[in-house]
Amino acid sequence: GENVEQHPSTLSVQEGDSAVIKCTYSDSASNYFPWYKQELGKRPQLIIDIRSNVGEKKDQRIAVTLNKTAKHFSLHITETQPEDSAVYFCAAFLPGGDYKLSFGAGTTVTVRA
Amino acid sequence: NAGVTQTPKFQVLKTGQSMTLQCAQDMNHEYMSWYRQDPGMGLRLIHYSVGAGITDQGEVPNGYNVSRSTTEDFPLRLLSAAPSQTSVYFCASSPGTDYEQYFGPGTRLTVT
Repeated sequence: GENVEQHPSTLSVQEGDSAVIKCTYSDSASNYFPWYKQELGKRPQLIIDIRSNVGEKKDQRIAVTLNKTAKHFSLHITETQPEDSAVYFCAAFLPGGDYKLSFGAGTTVTVRA
Repeated sequence: NAGVTQTPKFQVLKTGQSMTLQCAQDMNHEYMSWYRQDPGMGLRLIHYSVGAGITDQGEVPNGYNVSRSTTEDFPLRLLSAAPSQTSVYFCASSPGTDYEQYFGPGTRLTVT
């Protein structure tokens, strides 16, 4: 199956700075890479996703980049704000009959005022 | 739409007890899944279903059973609770295999 590694496990940034979270995956056949944000005590919610036929995708202050050759993808948050403080999970979907979305272990992001 | 609902929100069990975590969705999604969330381990897939009458095992299925008799409901049964099953359980549904997953609010389970 797919194995997703996520780094760093914790990230502290000054308000207004950028935050970058990186994930690597093991199976080159994976073709869908979502990112979920989970605020304290809440459910995970999708914030952005990217498919393997695209190298980059942006949505306001959030962007995701995908490097298929190196098998890694990254989440970039610019101009961080206190409400960006949360746990972020990356995931990779491996097609081929099984419905298996594999998640990384998560990154706890703290934005310092 | 209520989205994905889960009951109960909190539950305390004694070792050896059994119980069922309920999950329902009103979005007519074919795909539903159960995850457990433990500190530092992300979300691990327990069981999933690609449609009514079809279920399959995920990454950590031992000690859990599921069934999918309708499109809307996907209950998770703990057969004989163990302290290692203390966790937060999330149900999710999705319109397709590689589309957004909609999570329920979670059930915090403690096994003593």
